[in-house]
Amino acid sequence: AQKVTQAQTEISVVEKEDVTLDCVYETRDTTYYLFWYKQPPSGELVFLIRRNSFDEQNEISGRYSWNFQKSTSSFNFTITASQVVDSAVYFCALSDYPTSGTYKYIFGTGTRLKVLA
Amino acid sequence: EPEVTQTPSHQVTQMGQEVILRCVPISNHLYFYWYRQILGQKVEFLVSFYNNEISEKSEIFDDQFSVERPDGSNFTLKIRSTKLEDSAMYFCASSPRTARSEAFFGQGTRLTVV
Repeated sequence: AQKVTQAQTEISVVEKEDVTLDCVYETRDTTYYLFWYKQPPSGELVFLIRRNSFDEQNEISGRYSWNFQKSTSSFNFTITASQVVDSAVYFCALSDYPTSGTYKYIFGTGTRLKVLA
Repeated sequence: EPEVTQTPSHQVTQMGQEVILRCVPISNHLYFYWYRQILGQKVEFLVSFYNNEISEKSEIFDDQFSVERPDGSNFTLKIRSTKLEDSAMYFCASSPRTARSEAFFGQGTRLTVV
């Protein structure tokens, strides 16, 4: 069965600190997709990144970076030099090969990040 | 930039009433979804829709729920007789031709059942 675990419920950091949000997933499929979404206080879900299971290359986008390790079934997200505007709930999600033809997402429980000025 | 639009942003309804949540997906997208997020909890899949029919539904999506794409642009979620536990944020999402692309989410409709 598919499962996404975000063990960190809440993290508080001081502005400019680096912070890593952990995501561990379970799936039996060899083809799957992993995502990170940001949910700011306004409530919408903002797409951050998609990674497919065949691409283990780490990715950097500005202050954001992602570390995908199939060996440990982890897809961790690091924010470098955090800012107050990074304060949000961050969700990791998994989508694997469907029997239905549509790729539904299985979300983790989210990590609330508070960046203090 | 194209976006998924949901209306209303907040709806308050009395228990037992029917509600319809509306969504306008991105125009060239073919796959549509509804998700639910009870306050403070994770986002849960409700239903996916493709080619004018339900592709998959979760155990949450019981007979009280239905979806429809009535006019080729709107995508609606109907809850026939609301219960207190239906109070949640409901997200509509769509993805393009290839279902493997990321889904784009609307801003959500907060449903409060009183």
